[in-house]
Amino acid sequence: AQKVTQAQTEISVVEKEDVTLDCVYETRDTTYYLFWYKQPPSGELVFLIRRNSFDEQNEISGRYSWNFQKSTSSFNFTITASQVVDSAVYFCALSEGDSSYKLIFGSGTRLLVRP
Amino acid sequence: SAVISQKPSRDICQRGTSLTIQCQVDSQVTMMFWYRQQPGQSLTLIATANQGSEATYESGFVIDKFPISRPNLTFSTLTVSNMSPEDSSIYLCSARTGSHEQFFGPGTRLTVL
Repeated sequence: AQKVTQAQTEISVVEKEDVTLDCVYETRDTTYYLFWYKQPPSGELVFLIRRNSFDEQNEISGRYSWNFQKSTSSFNFTITASQVVDSAVYFCALSEGDSSYKLIFGSGTRLLVRP
Repeated sequence: SAVISQKPSRDICQRGTSLTIQCQVDSQVTMMFWYRQQPGQSLTLIATANQGSEATYESGFVIDKFPISRPNLTFSTLTVSNMSPEDSSIYLCSARTGSHEQFFGPGTRLTVL
């Protein structure tokens, strides 16, 4: 069965610190997709990244970077030099490569960046 | 990418009534979904909205309570029927593109009194 675990319920950092949000997933499929979303206090869900299971290259986008490791079934997200605007709930999600493409979400990590 | 709009953005409803939420995508997408997010919780899939046929519901959700329509590739509705306070949640429409990116609408914040 597929499952996503975000063990960190809440993280608090001071502005400019680096922070890593952990995501561990379970799936029996060889083809699957992993996602990260940001949900700021306003409530909308912002798409950050989608990674497929055949692409283990790490990705960097500005202050954001993602580390995908199939050996440990992890897809961790790092924010470098955090800013107050990064304060939000971050969700990791998994969808298997069958035709359903359902997203299974982790429980989310609430990040608070203090000035 | 896909831009998704939802109406209404929020509503306060009386117990026993029904509310229909509309979802419009700015481009044709392969799949559309409806999710629920209860206060302080993660997102749970209600159903996959299938174009031209009955929606596919997840365990714990039934068509009588959450009827869904998807008449074309860019539009879907979700009705929350015979509402109770336990239905107070954010309801989110989602669309998957051909490149397997998945976007969400801004959500409908429902409060049932």
